[in-house]
Amino acid sequence: AQSVTQLDSQVPVFEEAPVELRCNYSSSVSVYLFWYVQYPNQGLQLLLKYLSGSTLVKGINGFEAEFNKSQTSFHLRKPSVHISDTAEYFCAVSERRQLTFGSGTQLTVLP
Amino acid sequence: NAGVMQNPRHLVRRRGQEARLRCSPMKGHSHVYWYRQLPEEGLKFMVYLQKENIIDESGMPKERFSAEFPKEGPSILRIQQVVRGDSAAYFCASSPEGPNYGYTFGSGTRLTVV
Repeated sequence: AQSVTQLDSQVPVFEEAPVELRCNYSSSVSVYLFWYVQYPNQGLQLLLKYLSGSTLVKGINGFEAEFNKSQTSFHLRKPSVHISDTAEYFCAVSERRQLTFGSGTQLTVLP
Repeated sequence: NAGVMQNPRHLVRRRGQEARLRCSPMKGHSHVYWYRQLPEEGLKFMVYLQKENIIDESGMPKERFSAEFPKEGPSILRIQQVVRGDSAAYFCASSPEGPNYGYTFGSGTRLTVV
């Protein structure tokens, strides 16, 4: 069985500061990894995905993530956040027939 | 190219009534997934369908819940005899080739059982 752990449920950060949202997964087979963002009362929007190839993945809105197989991590980063980045962020792993999501990290960007 | 369309956006049902949630996948997508999001929780997988077939329903409650994706028309998630604990946001997603390449999500249906 696979699982996804998002280590921080809440991350407050000041505007223009860097941020890292942590995600670890457990799986014994090759995985595909995703980060989604959910704004209030909306659906999930795909930020980026790792399928294969380069371990550094660039996504939309200036976000990037690095796949680290030895540490089974896929942390999301942004060098300088904006107020508009305030949202819930979900890490997910695909294996077999479904995406399994972490419990989410609420990113709050403070002025 | 319209995204994944879900309706209604909000649905209020009294205990014991039936709830029908509809999902039209993106054009060209033949794989549909339903997820449930309870307050303060992440998304939980419910069911994965292709046209006229249920591929994986391991996340569906054994009773009162059913899903279909007919040859024509939207996918339907049906909840019979709703209870307060069914109150949640239900999200539909679609993909062109199966789950390994990521999904496109709809905006969800927020079901409130009173």
